[in-house]
Amino acid sequence: AQTVTQSQPEMSVQEAETVTLSCTYDTSESDYYLFWYKQPPSRQMILVIRQEAYKQQNATENRFSVNFQKAAKSFSLKISDSQLGDAAMYFCAYRSANSGYALNFGKGTSLLVTP
Amino acid sequence: GAGVSQSPRYKVAKRGQDVALRCDPISGHVSLFWYQQALGQGPEFLTYFQNEAQLDKSGLPSDRFFAERPEGSVSTLKIQRTQQEDSAVYLCASIPRLALYEQFFGPGTRLTVL
Repeated sequence: AQTVTQSQPEMSVQEAETVTLSCTYDTSESDYYLFWYKQPPSRQMILVIRQEAYKQQNATENRFSVNFQKAAKSFSLKISDSQLGDAAMYFCAYRSANSGYALNFGKGTSLLVTP
Repeated sequence: GAGVSQSPRYKVAKRGQDVALRCDPISGHVSLFWYQQALGQGPEFLTYFQNEAQLDKSGLPSDRFFAERPEGSVSTLKIQRTQQEDSAVYLCASIPRLALYEQFFGPGTRLTVL
């Protein structure tokens, strides 16, 4: 089974600054997908960004970008120009491309944004 | 806009009671997933459906948990003889087809078993 590890239970960033959230995963598969989801206090999970393992180029979505290191099995999320609305729990998730469609989530990182 | 909806949003049950949690996926979405999220943890997979067929129920923690989707749209997660360890948020997600990436999540049902 694949495991996803988020080693930072909490992170704090000042508004307009940049923060990086860490994620590592363990898998023997070569084809898979990685995701970052945001969960605000309302509990609604929102997809932030995704990365296909076969793509070497790191995904980018506006202020959000990833650093995908396949050999190291690392998938960090960088949030630039942090905004108060970015405060939430962030979950890293793994999905196999070939067996099963369920998402395997890490335990999450709570991001606090200070004015 | 019609997103994934779940009801009730909050449910308090006495230990030993049966509960039923409902998920209304986005119209036309073929696949539906249930996850359990304990306090301070990430969601954990319970089961998923493609249309009315339950293709994977490997995550259901015990035979007290049962899920159905009889007409391939609305799904119900039933928990019999609830225990305190069942207290969690139950999330439902749907996608148009299994091949697509993004799972669209509902707001969840917070179940508290006293």
